[in-house]
Amino acid sequence: SAVISQKPSRDICQRGTSLTIQCQVDSQVTMMFWYRQQPGQSLTLIATANQGSEATYESGFVIDKFPISRPNLTFSTLTVSNMSPEDSSIYLCSVAGIYEQYFGPGTRLTVT
Amino acid sequence: AQKVTQAQTEISVVEKEDVTLDCVYETRDTTYYLFWYKQPPSGELVFLIRRNSFDEQNEISGRYSWNFQKSTSSFNFTITASQVVDSAVYFCALSVGGTSYGKLTFGQGTILTVHP
Repeated sequence: SAVISQKPSRDICQRGTSLTIQCQVDSQVTMMFWYRQQPGQSLTLIATANQGSEATYESGFVIDKFPISRPNLTFSTLTVSNMSPEDSSIYLCSVAGIYEQYFGPGTRLTVT
Repeated sequence: AQKVTQAQTEISVVEKEDVTLDCVYETRDTTYYLFWYKQPPSGELVFLIRRNSFDEQNEISGRYSWNFQKSTSSFNFTITASQVVDSAVYFCALSVGGTSYGKLTFGQGTILTVHP
């Protein structure tokens, strides 16, 4: 199994600023995934983060807006840059296990 | 590309009723994985089940059961004798295998409300 923690758990930010979300896993994993859940919506994959290489972004998401770091096999960060109210969402970190997909508790972001 | 459809946006039942949540998926891959998650009002995602495309056996876990039918590309979830604590949003999701494993495509979710 894998236990995922995220920081911060929630934040309220002003538009135009940036927020970096941290994700820590209690075991080494090859790939880490970042998802977004907009209010009242489903989850959407933002990007896949591999250690030692650049993140791979899904359609509709770009590195300038959501830069990702993956310095080692247990840690990743997602930055939400130049925020607007439309970025208000829950951001979740995830890793794939042998028998299930694990998700962190999420970071609830509100942009004012 | 993968697609997951949960046609039921909201379902409302009275406690002790049985309820089935529908999930239909689309993929061209022969190796894929289907998931169900529960998201209670507190917001965390609770893993319920994962099924791979080569295992069509139905599964039962307590009051929960899942019916996987490749012929109709469906992976439906039934709660027997529902309880108020079952009230949540339920998501069905799909991941293909290989290097894309872990990239989940989610359905839109079904809001289940169980009334006492």
